Amino acid sequence: DSGVTQTPKHLITATGQRVTLRCSPRSGDLSVYWYQQSLDQGLQFLIQYYNGEERAKGNILERFSAQQFPDLHSELNLSSLELGDSALYFCASSVPGSYYGYTFGSGTRLTVV
Amino acid sequence: AQTVTQSQPEMSVQEAETVTLSCTYDTSESDYYLFWYKQPPSRQMILVIRQEAYKQQNATENRFSVNFQKAAKSFSLKISDSQLGDAAMYFCAYREAYGGSQGNLIFGKGTKLSVKP
Repeated sequence: DSGVTQTPKHLITATGQRVTLRCSPRSGDLSVYWYQQSLDQGLQFLIQYYNGEERAKGNILERFSAQQFPDLHSELNLSSLELGDSALYFCASSVPGSYYGYTFGSGTRLTVV
Repeated sequence: AQTVTQSQPEMSVQEAETVTLSCTYDTSESDYYLFWYKQPPSRQMILVIRQEAYKQQNATENRFSVNFQKAAKSFSLKISDSQLGDAAMYFCAYREAYGGSQGNLIFGKGTKLSVKP
């Protein structure tokens, strides 16, 4: 157990639908990062939150949004889903200080049918 | 923009042998951090080793070591005495030292390592 909790582990939904992925960071970590890993792609950075505020945006589609709540858990909302959104979505958290890498959750496998 | 390149999509090694995975990166920064992550079939991302750019000494973690060549912007991973459990996808990653509040990790596309018994 890495200490970063992602739910659900698997999600199957239809095109056009909306889903919410949830992430609880490791205790003490203020930053949360969301990544997308498609079948033949590396990890694509989506968005970062730090202590409730958005800090950096990567290749995140307008159909996707995220937020970090006062208790530091984060949610990634994916709407108007398309087949191409099928991927493994990772959440990661980190301690202050760039020396440390991220601690990753086990990911949410999203399948859009 | 910073980029990370892993030129070997797949590698294979015999059990107990040594293998080296390559990684190059492009940055104009002088201070940054480099990482190797392992992703086994379970898909969990596991940090293998980290290197600080301002440290000349190469990092070592048990059977894993790196060859960090800052001028060449190269960061290779050497796995000694390879074990069946080392079979995984390996990702090289870069992180600015002072980007944003903490900087985000930029990953290469990965190298799939197979270990033959």
